Amino acid sequence: NAGVMQNPRHLVRRRGQEARLRCSPMKGHSHVYWYRQLPEEGLKFMVYLQKENIIDESGMPKERFSAEFPKEGPSILRIQQVVRGDSAAYFCASSGTGNNEQFFGPGTRLTVL
Amino acid sequence: AQSVTQLDSQVPVFEEAPVELRCNYSSSVSVYLFWYVQYPNQGLQLLLKYLSGSTLVKGINGFEAEFNKSQTSFHLRKPSVHISDTAEYFCAALSGGYNKLIFGAGTRLAVHP
Repeated sequence: NAGVMQNPRHLVRRRGQEARLRCSPMKGHSHVYWYRQLPEEGLKFMVYLQKENIIDESGMPKERFSAEFPKEGPSILRIQQVVRGDSAAYFCASSGTGNNEQFFGPGTRLTVL
Repeated sequence: AQSVTQLDSQVPVFEEAPVELRCNYSSSVSVYLFWYVQYPNQGLQLLLKYLSGSTLVKGINGFEAEFNKSQTSFHLRKPSVHISDTAEYFCAALSGGYNKLIFGAGTRLAVHP
């Protein structure tokens, strides 16, 4: 069974560009979570989605950040007009319905020049 | 506020010595508790979890943790560490709403020969 897949693994953007991070959950999982890890820090929750619904976006910055999990295809975390402070590792996790355990992907490391 | 506190940012230890990594959680999070390990530039791997039942939980790689409700702690232990245990360790709790993980800041375990 394939685990949680994230791509790209590394992404370099210049200030002002857009970054798109993709996450394919484990087979059979319908819950997706995005976390951000700033350098030398722990992971911070950003958003929790189910298919076609945002359940909790309390950790998302109010501007420039958006997330979706369409009926078909991967979940997308989109960062518009990136700034240097967006440089971080972004991790996706997934879980099944009624399952309290989240399985993590390998992360996407975003570098903003 | 919901929080998880890891009391030590770095723990140096010699190979084959015992180690304890400390974790305390606030009463406002759930008592679904987890320890993850992160090797450099990699994702998170689940070491062990407490959901209910026995307060002593055994995980992979010889690690174990004890859930202590009265002290709101979930310390991680290993009786004899190896060089390969050198990594960052994160304690996490499922939030009171059961929809996101609250992470501690991490403890860097450095095992020396």
